[in-house]
Amino acid sequence: SQTIHQWPATLVQPVGSPLSLECTVEGTSNPNLYWYRQAAGRGLQLLFYSVGIGQISSEVPQNLSASRPQDRQFILSSKKLLLSDSGFYLCAWRGQLIQFFGPGTRLTVL
Amino acid sequence: QKEVEQNSGPLSVPEGAIASLNCTYSDRVSQSFFWYRQYSGKSPELIMSIYSNGDKEDGRFTAQLNKASQYVSLLIRDSQPSDSATYLCAVNRGLTGGGNKLTFGTGTQLKVEL
Repeated sequence: SQTIHQWPATLVQPVGSPLSLECTVEGTSNPNLYWYRQAAGRGLQLLFYSVGIGQISSEVPQNLSASRPQDRQFILSSKKLLLSDSGFYLCAWRGQLIQFFGPGTRLTVL
Repeated sequence: QKEVEQNSGPLSVPEGAIASLNCTYSDRVSQSFFWYRQYSGKSPELIMSIYSNGDKEDGRFTAQLNKASQYVSLLIRDSQPSDSATYLCAVNRGLTGGGNKLTFGTGTQLKVEL
Protein backbone atom coordinates (compact mmCIF):
# COMPACT_ATOMS: atom_id res chain seq x y z
CA SER A 1 0.00 0.00 0.00
CA GLN A 2 1.01 3.58 -0.55
CA THR A 3 2.25 5.78 2.28
CA ILE A 4 3.13 9.45 2.27
CA HIS A 5 5.47 11.00 4.81
CA GLN A 6 6.08 14.63 5.69
CA TRP A 7 8.55 16.19 8.08
CA PRO A 8 8.85 17.97 10.27
CA ALA A 9 5.37 17.80 11.78
CA THR A 10 5.68 21.19 13.44
CA LEU A 11 8.03 24.09 12.80
CA VAL A 12 8.46 27.54 14.30
CA GLN A 13 10.72 29.85 12.33
CA PRO A 14 11.65 33.54 12.52
CA VAL A 15 10.82 35.92 9.70
CA GLY A 16 13.60 35.98 7.13
CA SER A 17 14.86 32.48 7.88
CA PRO A 18 15.06 29.73 5.24
CA LEU A 19 12.64 26.81 4.96
CA SER A 20 12.84 23.25 3.76
CA LEU A 21 9.90 20.84 4.02
CA GLU A 22 10.20 17.31 2.73
CA CYS A 23 7.65 14.87 1.42
CA THR A 24 8.26 11.27 0.38
CA VAL A 25 5.90 8.67 -1.02
CA GLU A 26 6.26 4.90 -0.69
CA GLY A 27 4.59 2.10 -2.59
CA THR A 28 4.12 3.79 -5.95
CA SER A 29 6.26 4.97 -8.82
CA ASN A 30 6.16 8.18 -10.85
CA PRO A 31 3.34 9.72 -8.83
CA ASN A 32 1.90 13.16 -9.46
CA LEU A 33 2.83 15.17 -6.37
CA TYR A 34 1.32 18.34 -4.93
CA TRP A 35 2.05 20.95 -2.29
CA TYR A 36 -0.92 22.73 -0.69
CA ARG A 37 -1.13 25.36 1.98
CA GLN A 38 -4.06 25.81 4.33
CA ALA A 39 -4.01 29.15 6.10
CA ALA A 40 -6.23 29.86 9.09
CA GLY A 41 -9.80 30.48 7.98
CA ARG A 42 -9.00 29.77 4.34
CA GLY A 43 -9.33 26.82 2.05
CA LEU A 44 -6.64 24.58 0.67
CA GLN A 45 -4.50 26.46 -1.83
CA LEU A 46 -2.48 24.56 -4.42
CA LEU A 47 1.09 25.87 -4.46
CA PHE A 48 3.01 23.49 -6.74
CA TYR A 49 2.52 20.27 -8.60
CA SER A 50 4.90 17.88 -10.29
CA VAL A 51 4.29 15.17 -12.86
CA GLY A 52 7.87 13.86 -12.80
CA ILE A 53 11.47 14.34 -11.68
CA GLY A 54 12.58 17.92 -12.22
CA GLN A 55 9.14 18.97 -13.51
CA ILE A 56 7.60 21.65 -11.32
CA SER A 57 4.60 23.85 -12.04
CA SER A 58 3.67 26.78 -9.86
CA GLU A 59 0.08 27.76 -9.31
CA VAL A 60 0.60 31.06 -7.52
CA PRO A 61 3.45 33.57 -7.37
CA GLN A 62 5.14 33.67 -3.99
CA ASN A 63 8.48 33.45 -2.25
CA LEU A 64 8.29 29.67 -2.11
CA SER A 65 9.86 27.18 -4.50
CA ALA A 66 9.61 23.44 -4.99
CA SER A 67 11.92 20.75 -6.27
CA ARG A 68 11.64 17.09 -7.11
CA PRO A 69 15.10 15.59 -7.01
CA GLN A 70 13.89 11.97 -6.96
CA ASP A 71 10.81 10.17 -8.22
CA ARG A 72 9.14 9.95 -4.85
CA GLN A 73 10.57 13.02 -3.12
CA PHE A 74 9.08 16.50 -3.20
CA ILE A 75 10.64 19.45 -1.37
CA LEU A 76 9.18 22.85 -0.57
CA SER A 77 11.65 25.65 0.11
CA SER A 78 12.00 29.31 0.84
CA LYS A 79 15.07 31.52 1.12
CA LYS A 80 13.37 34.05 3.40
CA LEU A 81 10.14 33.36 5.22
CA LEU A 82 7.39 35.95 5.58
CA LEU A 83 4.76 36.17 8.30
CA SER A 84 2.17 35.33 5.65
CA ASP A 85 3.88 31.97 5.04
CA SER A 86 2.43 30.61 8.28
CA GLY A 87 0.00 27.78 7.72
CA PHE A 88 -0.55 24.07 7.42
CA TYR A 89 1.45 22.63 4.53
CA LEU A 90 0.17 19.47 2.96
CA CYS A 91 1.81 17.19 0.44
CA ALA A 92 -0.42 14.98 -1.67
CA TRP A 93 -0.04 12.32 -4.33
CA ARG A 94 -2.51 11.26 -6.96
CA GLY A 95 -3.73 7.69 -7.36
CA GLN A 96 -5.80 7.55 -10.56
CA LEU A 97 -8.22 10.46 -10.03
CA ILE A 98 -7.97 10.62 -6.25
CA GLN A 99 -5.52 12.67 -4.22
CA PHE A 100 -4.26 11.41 -0.88
CA PHE A 101 -2.73 13.71 1.66
CA GLY A 102 0.23 13.36 3.95
CA PRO A 103 0.02 14.22 7.66
CA GLY A 104 1.09 17.84 7.08
CA THR A 105 3.55 20.32 8.56
CA ARG A 106 2.29 23.15 10.70
CA LEU A 107 4.53 26.17 10.15
CA THR A 108 4.46 29.23 12.37
CA VAL A 109 6.51 32.22 11.29
CA LEU A 110 7.20 34.70 14.09
CA GLN B 1 -17.74 33.96 -7.82
CA LYS B 2 -15.63 31.37 -6.05
CA GLU B 3 -14.81 28.23 -8.00
CA VAL B 4 -16.15 26.00 -5.22
CA GLU B 5 -18.54 27.36 -2.61
CA GLN B 6 -19.63 25.87 0.67
CA ASN B 7 -21.49 27.24 3.66
CA SER B 8 -18.89 27.55 6.41
CA GLY B 9 -21.34 26.61 9.15
CA PRO B 10 -21.18 25.46 11.80
CA LEU B 11 -23.94 23.02 10.98
CA SER B 12 -25.27 21.49 14.18
CA VAL B 13 -27.31 18.28 14.11
CA PRO B 14 -28.40 15.97 16.93
CA GLU B 15 -26.92 12.51 17.19
CA GLY B 16 -28.77 10.07 14.97
CA ALA B 17 -30.05 12.74 12.57
CA ILE B 18 -29.19 13.23 8.91
CA ALA B 19 -26.57 15.86 8.16
CA SER B 20 -26.78 17.50 4.74
CA LEU B 21 -23.75 19.30 3.35
CA ASN B 22 -23.90 21.26 0.14
CA CYS B 23 -21.43 22.51 -2.45
CA THR B 24 -21.71 24.43 -5.70
CA TYR B 25 -19.02 24.83 -8.35
CA SER B 26 -18.53 27.21 -11.24
CA ASP B 27 -16.54 25.25 -13.85
CA ARG B 28 -18.99 23.39 -16.07
CA VAL B 29 -16.30 21.12 -17.53
CA SER B 30 -15.45 19.57 -14.14
CA GLN B 31 -15.98 15.82 -14.20
CA SER B 32 -14.84 14.51 -10.84
CA PHE B 33 -16.01 15.49 -7.39
CA PHE B 34 -14.81 14.57 -3.95
CA TRP B 35 -15.69 14.96 -0.32
CA TYR B 36 -12.91 15.05 2.27
CA ARG B 37 -13.25 15.05 6.03
CA GLN B 38 -10.76 17.03 8.09
CA TYR B 39 -10.51 16.77 11.84
CA SER B 40 -9.03 19.75 13.64
CA GLY B 41 -5.26 19.80 13.27
CA LYS B 42 -5.23 16.81 10.91
CA SER B 43 -4.92 16.39 7.16
CA PRO B 44 -7.95 15.79 4.94
CA GLU B 45 -9.06 12.22 4.33
CA LEU B 46 -11.20 11.11 1.42
CA ILE B 47 -14.76 10.06 2.20
CA MET B 48 -16.48 9.90 -1.15
CA SER B 49 -15.85 10.41 -4.83
CA ILE B 50 -18.55 10.82 -7.45
CA TYR B 51 -18.28 11.14 -11.21
CA SER B 52 -21.80 10.66 -12.60
CA ASN B 53 -25.10 12.39 -12.02
CA GLY B 54 -27.22 10.82 -9.32
CA ASP B 55 -26.53 9.26 -5.96
CA LYS B 56 -23.64 7.17 -4.71
CA GLU B 57 -23.93 5.43 -1.37
CA ASP B 58 -21.19 4.10 0.88
CA GLY B 59 -22.30 3.02 4.32
CA ARG B 60 -23.79 6.00 6.14
CA PHE B 61 -22.60 8.41 3.46
CA THR B 62 -24.40 9.36 0.25
CA ALA B 63 -22.96 11.73 -2.33
CA GLN B 64 -25.30 13.40 -4.79
CA LEU B 65 -24.26 15.07 -8.01
CA ASN B 66 -26.27 17.29 -10.35
CA LYS B 67 -24.02 18.57 -13.14
CA ALA B 68 -26.79 20.64 -14.75
CA SER B 69 -27.20 22.61 -11.54
CA GLN B 70 -23.45 22.39 -10.73
CA TYR B 71 -24.28 21.06 -7.32
CA VAL B 72 -22.76 18.36 -5.13
CA SER B 73 -24.01 17.27 -1.75
CA LEU B 74 -23.08 14.85 1.01
CA LEU B 75 -25.63 13.22 3.29
CA ILE B 76 -24.55 11.58 6.51
CA ARG B 77 -27.17 9.30 8.00
CA ASP B 78 -27.31 8.37 11.69
CA SER B 79 -24.83 11.12 12.52
CA GLN B 80 -22.38 10.33 15.30
CA PRO B 81 -20.28 12.63 17.49
CA SER B 82 -17.23 11.22 15.69
CA ASP B 83 -18.57 12.78 12.48
CA SER B 84 -17.90 16.22 13.95
CA ALA B 85 -15.31 17.69 11.60
CA THR B 86 -14.89 20.05 8.69
CA TYR B 87 -16.04 18.64 5.36
CA LEU B 88 -14.27 19.84 2.25
CA CYS B 89 -15.78 19.69 -1.21
CA ALA B 90 -13.26 19.34 -4.05
CA VAL B 91 -13.67 19.59 -7.80
CA ASN B 92 -11.19 18.19 -10.28
CA ARG B 93 -9.95 19.57 -13.57
CA GLY B 94 -7.06 18.68 -15.81
CA LEU B 95 -3.91 20.77 -16.10
CA THR B 96 -1.83 21.60 -19.15
CA GLY B 97 1.26 19.45 -19.12
CA GLY B 98 -0.49 16.62 -17.36
CA GLY B 99 -1.72 16.06 -13.87
CA ASN B 100 -4.92 17.29 -12.42
CA LYS B 101 -5.91 19.94 -9.97
CA LEU B 102 -8.34 19.78 -7.11
CA THR B 103 -10.01 23.05 -6.23
CA PHE B 104 -11.33 23.02 -2.68
CA GLY B 105 -14.12 24.84 -0.99
CA THR B 106 -13.39 26.43 2.37
CA GLY B 107 -15.28 23.65 4.12
CA THR B 108 -18.37 23.24 6.25
CA GLN B 109 -17.91 22.62 9.95
CA LEU B 110 -20.25 19.91 11.22
CA LYS B 111 -21.08 19.48 14.89
CA VAL B 112 -22.99 16.42 16.00
CA GLU B 113 -24.48 17.02 19.41
CA LEU B 114 -25.35 14.39 22.01
